[in-house]
Amino acid sequence: QKEVEQNSGPLSVPEGAIASLNCTYSDRGSQSFFWYRQYSGKSPELIMFIYSNGDKEDGRFTAQLNKASQYVSLLIRDSQPSDSATYLCAVKVDSSYKLIFGSGTRLLVRP
Amino acid sequence: ETGVTQTPRHLVMGMTNKKSLKCEQHLGHNAMYWYKQSAKKPLELMFVYNFKEQTENNSVPSRFSPECPNSSHLFLHLHTLQPEDSALYLCASSQDGGSFYNSPLHFGNGTRLTVT
Repeated sequence: QKEVEQNSGPLSVPEGAIASLNCTYSDRGSQSFFWYRQYSGKSPELIMFIYSNGDKEDGRFTAQLNKASQYVSLLIRDSQPSDSATYLCAVKVDSSYKLIFGSGTRLLVRP
Repeated sequence: ETGVTQTPRHLVMGMTNKKSLKCEQHLGHNAMYWYKQSAKKPLELMFVYNFKEQTENNSVPSRFSPECPNSSHLFLHLHTLQPEDSALYLCASSQDGGSFYNSPLHFGNGTRLTVT
């Protein structure tokens, strides 16, 4: 059973702080890793993807991938109340058409 | 209209009813998906169509029947559902079915289904 695990939260951080969201996955054949953001009552939207070990930065967001330890994380710098949402980690395994999603971590950014 | 459009937004149906969910994408994508999102559970892939051909059926019960007449439209036909089928059903599309970082998933706003 291929699994993607996330802490459900909520993760509460003050405005301006760094929010760190973590995700672990079970299948070593996983190739690509995605972070989606889902506001309450809305559909998921892609924030970032990463497929090489190391860091990938895009504005206030940094994705970190460690394939040896099988985890991927998302850092949000200078967190804003508008970042409050559920963050979904998703993993693509081998050449399938499947994205395996985690249950998501709810982030609350306190003004 | 742009993006991925789903109708209806909300649906309440009895266990003996037959209903259909509709999805339309205006992005020129070739792959379309149905996902189920239940409270406190991960998004579950149900079906994948790539160039109108079904490429994934993730062990979905036969009371859910997908239909993909062309690359822009996707339907989910529902019959004799159970209360545990109540969930948010999300449609998504991507440029192709195999390379999500070149063509990420674009989701519709979903249909909130309640089975009574």
